[in-house]
Amino acid sequence: AQSVTQLGSHVSVSEGALVLLRCNYSSSVPPYLFWYVQYPNQGLQLLLKYTTGATLVKGINGFEAEFKKSETSFHLTKPSAHMSDAAEYFCAVSGHSGGYQKVTFGTGTKLQVIP
Amino acid sequence: NAGVTQTPKFQVLKTGQSMTLQCAQDMNHEYMSWYRQDPGMGLRLIHYSVGAGITDQGEVPNGYNVSRSTTEDFPLRLLSAAPSQTSVYFCASSYSGTGSTDTQYFGPGTRLTVL
Repeated sequence: AQSVTQLGSHVSVSEGALVLLRCNYSSSVPPYLFWYVQYPNQGLQLLLKYTTGATLVKGINGFEAEFKKSETSFHLTKPSAHMSDAAEYFCAVSGHSGGYQKVTFGTGTKLQVIP
Repeated sequence: NAGVTQTPKFQVLKTGQSMTLQCAQDMNHEYMSWYRQDPGMGLRLIHYSVGAGITDQGEVPNGYNVSRSTTEDFPLRLLSAAPSQTSVYFCASSYSGTGSTDTQYFGPGTRLTVL
């Protein structure tokens, strides 16, 4: 069975500070990993995804994530937080079940950016 | 393209009432799904469909019905609403549902309160 653990349901950073949101996964090989962002009162939208190849994945709005197989991690980072980054972030792992895609989401991390 | 649309945005029901949450997509996606989002629990899959006429249960299907008569539409029916069904409901679609790397596209959500 696949699963995702997001460490920290709430993270606060100062504007301009590093953003680090943690995600660990459990999955059969190979894992396909996603980060989605949910702005207030909106649906989720894709930030980035890891499929194969380069382990450092760049996404929208300056975010990136690094796939580390040895640590079963896929942490999300951004060098400098902006007020507009305040949102909830979901890590997800994707696999197959019965021939179709099965996506398991983490419980989410709410990012607060302090001016 | 409008993407994934959901109606209504907000709904209040009394216990025992029934209603249908509407979902439509204009991207010609084969795979559509319904999730519910509850605080601290992330997104949980209710039902999904891999094409017109084909539906299956997800993680939390009890109390919900779905059907898929066209590629575009995937309504979710609450048969007899209960307070435990108070939640935010998201509809999502993806290209085929057979690829583990498919991105899901989410609607804006329906916020349902059952009194």
